[in-house]
Amino acid sequence: QKEVEQDPGPLSVPEGAIVSLNCTYSNSAFQYFMWYRQYSRKGPELLMYTYSSGNKEDGRFTAQVDKSSKYISLFIRDSQPSDSATYLCAISGGYNKLIFGAGTRLAVHP
Amino acid sequence: NAGVTQTPKFQVLKTGQSMTLQCAQDMNHNSMYWYRQDPGMGLRLIYYSASEGTTDKGEVPNGYNVSRLNKREFSLRLESAAPSQTSVYFCASSEVRGFAAGSPLHFGNGTRLTVT
Repeated sequence: QKEVEQDPGPLSVPEGAIVSLNCTYSNSAFQYFMWYRQYSRKGPELLMYTYSSGNKEDGRFTAQVDKSSKYISLFIRDSQPSDSATYLCAISGGYNKLIFGAGTRLAVHP
Repeated sequence: NAGVTQTPKFQVLKTGQSMTLQCAQDMNHNSMYWYRQDPGMGLRLIYYSASEGTTDKGEVPNGYNVSRLNKREFSLRLESAAPSQTSVYFCASSEVRGFAAGSPLHFGNGTRLTVT
């Protein structure tokens, strides 16, 4: 079993839709939860960062962490074609390790 | 401000050839990392350097060597390339030493390597 599982998609939605991207993880010691966005032929860039359980909002993006279920989500409201990218979750704990999910490819069509 | 710069962008090697991937950052970051990205596998850590003068193995170090030349530069060497090393290689840096407290990574745009 992988330590971090992420559905690879692809996910195709119309412009303006609400998008939900998810990851599950296995180790309850994980405390730091990140979402990276990766455009085609580019390196990942940090999108959202959360610590422990709860929600964090930044513009059209909301990151949600449910530690009891070991489940993290990224919601994108009013999705735009410019949101088309691969989204990677990344999780770390109290040891020297950062684990990435495989990434979910999202396509937002006009 | 260039951030993290990787060279070359593309490379094709024959099995058994060697090459060095170069990485430089201009953010005065302490830590630098080399990852490979393969379809369905996510990003896997090859080697990292938590500070100038130190290097440590990551998840998939076999077949690779690294050099932290100075605070700015971190190179990855393939001594004898194999088809299994066909991948996209990303260099990254972070301000803090190591993976402390989920510190964010800043990535370059990758080197696409094909080994035939």
